[in-house]
Amino acid sequence: DAGVTQSPTHLIKTRGQQVTLRCSPKSGHDTVSWYQQALGQGPQFIFQYYEEEERQRGNFPDRFSGHQFPNYSSELNVNALLLGDSALYLCASSPGTGGPLRAEYFGPGTRLTVT
Amino acid sequence: AQRVTQPEKLLSVFKGAPVELKCNYSYSGSPELFWYVQYSRQRLQLLLRHISRESIKGFTADLNKGETSFHLKKPFAQEEDSAMYYCALEMNRDDKIIFGKGTRLHILP
Repeated sequence: DAGVTQSPTHLIKTRGQQVTLRCSPKSGHDTVSWYQQALGQGPQFIFQYYEEEERQRGNFPDRFSGHQFPNYSSELNVNALLLGDSALYLCASSPGTGGPLRAEYFGPGTRLTVT
Repeated sequence: AQRVTQPEKLLSVFKGAPVELKCNYSYSGSPELFWYVQYSRQRLQLLLRHISRESIKGFTADLNKGETSFHLKKPFAQEEDSAMYYCALEMNRDDKIIFGKGTRLHILP
């Protein structure tokens, strides 16, 4: 089991563009959470998906949206990119219900740079 | 406002000395607290959670509701403890999650 996988590893986008990040959860996990980690900061919770629905959401604007597929993989979409969206985006997965911090297995992250 | 404060950005400790990583939180409800660790070139991983009252890799953390603290402790530091440590708070009432900014622990030989 490769654990949680994320793609791509790195991404460079221009301000105003849209981006899609992908996450495959650890085998047996059905809940996926997304976090944004700016340089020098702790992770900030974006949202969590369970049974293909957004279950919880942090303080992020509607430009941030997501999706979960029947195989439990997930996408994070960010529209109208701003320079401030440059960050490491982390995906985490966990089995079953519970708050986001039950998500014990993190992926390696996708480094997004907005120029 | 709810927040998690880790006052030290960097903590340097000699091998064999005791370690204490500080975490203070601000939340009026019933908190659930966690410590996460990230070793060099590895993924963020859960170290321990207060509700389990467990000891992982020699680390323990006690929730002190009076002082609103959840400090991480280890009696004898080891070189492999060098890592970035994050304290996190889950606020059940609001379903919000807050991470601290992290403390880099550097164990000196």
